[in-house]
Amino acid sequence: GAVVSQHPSRVICKSGTSVKIECRSLDFQATTMFWYRQFPKKSLMLMATSNEGSKATYEQGVEKDKFLINHASLTLSTLTVTSAHPEDSSFYICSARQGEAYEQYFGPGTRLTVT
Amino acid sequence: AQSVSQHNHHVILSEAASLELGCNYSYGGTVNLFWYVQYPGQHLQLLLKYFSGDPLVKGIKGFEAEFIKSKFSFNLRKPSVQWSDTAEYFCAVTGGFKTIFGAGTRLFVKA
Repeated sequence: GAVVSQHPSRVICKSGTSVKIECRSLDFQATTMFWYRQFPKKSLMLMATSNEGSKATYEQGVEKDKFLINHASLTLSTLTVTSAHPEDSSFYICSARQGEAYEQYFGPGTRLTVT
Repeated sequence: AQSVSQHNHHVILSEAASLELGCNYSYGGTVNLFWYVQYPGQHLQLLLKYFSGDPLVKGIKGFEAEFIKSKFSFNLRKPSVQWSDTAEYFCAVTGGFKTIFGAGTRLFVKA
């Protein structure tokens, strides 16, 4: 099946700094990429949907100025957590899809810890 | 608004027992339906999907799911579970552009 990678897998940062997470589709072109946040023992919460070359669509309650998403190419999307706070500590997962008629392929996730 | 409901949050079964996990959704238009599985320490993987055609779909590892349009349901089944099926299972629905996930069901299979 298709492979999606995320980098880094784990990151620890200090409060107030910014962190960038990369999501890459390795063997297919992803017209759409999704960013999720997974809380302990809870489901995935969709944060935003991004299409290559256009602005991301954010879900209600997700601050677009805090979670900057860039989908610069058909194989790369980045999520930047700006001015991180301890409450931003979470597991962030990206997924990628070739088109609406296709399933999503998930990355392995990034564990962010803000101290 | 689009929503997905999974009825069981935790399920404990013995090996060889039959499994059925419920999933109901609400959405007014055409949907694509998925079941994903997350094994301990691993990332989400697709179990099976329904786009159109035969409402009974078969996936990997002996899983199947039935789409019942009149009930807005897409329940996951397996006739005989194994210890290795211990995982978390997520139902997901794509309507239009967005995919919404259910809260997940944690399955523990006793050896």
